[in-house]
Amino acid sequence: DTAVSQTPKYLVTQMGNDKSIKCEQNLGHDTMYWYKQDSKKFLKIMFSYNNKELIINETVPNRFSPKSPDKAHLNLHINSLELGDSAVYFCASSPGVFTEAFFGQGTRLTVV
Amino acid sequence: GNSVTQMEGPVTLSEEAFLTINCTYTATGYPSLFWYVQYPGEGLQLLLKATKADDKGSNKGFEATYRKETTSFHLEKGSVQVSDSAVYFCALSDPGGYQKVTFGIGTKLQVIP
Repeated sequence: DTAVSQTPKYLVTQMGNDKSIKCEQNLGHDTMYWYKQDSKKFLKIMFSYNNKELIINETVPNRFSPKSPDKAHLNLHINSLELGDSAVYFCASSPGVFTEAFFGQGTRLTVV
Repeated sequence: GNSVTQMEGPVTLSEEAFLTINCTYTATGYPSLFWYVQYPGEGLQLLLKATKADDKGSNKGFEATYRKETTSFHLEKGSVQVSDSAVYFCALSDPGGYQKVTFGIGTKLQVIP
């Protein structure tokens, strides 16, 4: 069973479109995250949710809106996509503070 | 704020060579420290971790020791293999209660036969 799964794995879309990436974890963790990995492999946290509540919003443009319908899901919706949004987006979860994060396989978003 | 500094790559080694990837951190409290590995086209996987000073994390021949006095967590392996080629990330968990993991920039390792 996949612990953290995100869909789709690849997403190619035109500038200006709106798209969503879905994430689900079956680990029973309280905390979920979205990270963005740029072309140089640098990982930057975007959002963190704990028990469906937003904990961290790291100065991400408001075109990005996370939604957590329940503790096991954290979806990412992106409006008005821009070329600079092209990256790999990783969902992750962790059981709490001081613990490691478990990552999904990533969604490679390409905006053309 | 918290930060992680690790050596930039790429690091290119011959098979069976000794590996060291340096990592130092800045944190306000006493974080847990991690090394993650990302193989080409895949997500990140936890390689090893240490939760307190002087702890040694180890896995698959890799080791790292939590050094509070030097705020370091260097990754080592005595004999690398081609299959170790990947990007390695040093990371810490935020002790400030925000429940986030902060990553270094990643070090790409290439092992040649």
